[in-house]
Parts: sequence; C-alpha cells; structure tokens
Amino acid sequence: AQSVAQPEDQVNVAEGNPLTVKCTYSVSGNPYLFWYVQYPNRGLQFLLKYITGDNLVKGSYGFEAEFNKSQTSFHLKKPSALVSDSALYFCAVSGNTPLVFGKGTRLSVIA
Amino acid sequence: DAGVIQSPRHEVTEMGQEVTLRCKPISGHDYLFWYRQTMMRGLELLIYFNNNVPIDDSGMPEDRFSAKMPNASFSTLKIQPSEPRDSAVYFCAIAGGSDTQYFGPGTRLTVL
Repeated sequence: AQSVAQPEDQVNVAEGNPLTVKCTYSVSGNPYLFWYVQYPNRGLQFLLKYITGDNLVKGSYGFEAEFNKSQTSFHLKKPSALVSDSALYFCAVSGNTPLVFGKGTRLSVIA
Repeated sequence: DAGVIQSPRHEVTEMGQEVTLRCKPISGHDYLFWYRQTMMRGLELLIYFNNNVPIDDSGMPEDRFSAKMPNASFSTLKIQPSEPRDSAVYFCAIAGGSDTQYFGPGTRLTVL
C-alpha cells in the first residue's frame, strides 16, 4: 500500500527566508509525487509533480521540490517566502492507484 | 477550480434531511473523485469513478452516503439522512489517470 507522511503540522517562517515543507513517501514501484496548495475557502490547487527525469522539479509560484529516492522524500522548497504563500500544503503519492494525500502542513509566513 | 463546478457552494440543513451535492466537470477526464475534508480527519477519499463506473467506494462512511455518475459531465453525492457529524467540506476532483487531479471549489455542508 502506498502512503505519504508530512511530519510537521505547522511551519513558521519569516518573509524573505527560505522555506521547506517536508514529505516522505512509501510506495511499491516508481512513485508519482505531487504537491498541492489550499488557500482558505478554496479547493486544492496543483503546484508541481515528479514523474521521472530530473530530481529537482520546478512548479508554480516559485516553488520547487527535490525527489530523493534513497531517503524516499519529496520536500517542497522556496528560496524566499512571501506572506501570500501562507496556506495549507499537501503532499501526495501515486503508484498504480489514485493519489494518496498526506495530512497537510500549514505554512505561516510572518512579515 | 475552473475545470470543475460544484453546487451548492454552501448548504445548511437540519439533521435528518436529505442532502444532494453536485459536481459538473467542464473538461474531459477519465476519473472523478469525491473527497471530504474536516479539521479532525483531514482529507478523505470517499469514492471514485472511472469512465462513469464506481471503482472504489470503501471510503464511503456509511450506507447513508451514496454517489452516482450518470454521465461524464455530472455526478452527485447524496446523504440521507444527514447527521451533524457529516458537516464538512466536500470536494469533487477530476483526473486523466493516476496523474494530476484538479479540484473543484468545494461545498461546505453544515448539518444542524
């Protein structure tokens, strides 16, 4: 069975500082890995995905994520956080079945 | 949100009443998913369809919940009778396979 873990319920970062939101996964076979963002009163929005190829994936709004097979991780990163990045972030994994989502990490960027 | 229309956006009802949530995908897709989101339980997959056929409904919490997809452009999630613990935000999402899912804006359900 596939699963994904987001070890942090909350991440706080100062505006302008780099941010990292952690995700580890478990799946048999090659994983499809995703990050989604949810702003208040909105549905989940696709940010980026890793299917194959370069381990560093670039997505929307300046976000990127690095696939690390040996550590089974897919951490979300951004070099310089904005207050507007404050939201709920979900990591998701897919093997041969539809996506399995993590519990989400709430990111707060403080001005 | 643009690829999926959900209605109503907000629903307030009383315990025991029937509730029907609607999903209308705009773009072509093979898969349709219904999720429920609460603070306590996070995001839960309730059921998903492939080419209008229900594939896995193991996430449907009880027999009070049912879902249909009569055609590729419409799906409903029904709760009968509704209970206060059903209060949540219900999302519909579409996908072209085990790939990117696109979510609707959700329906916020409050059962009094």
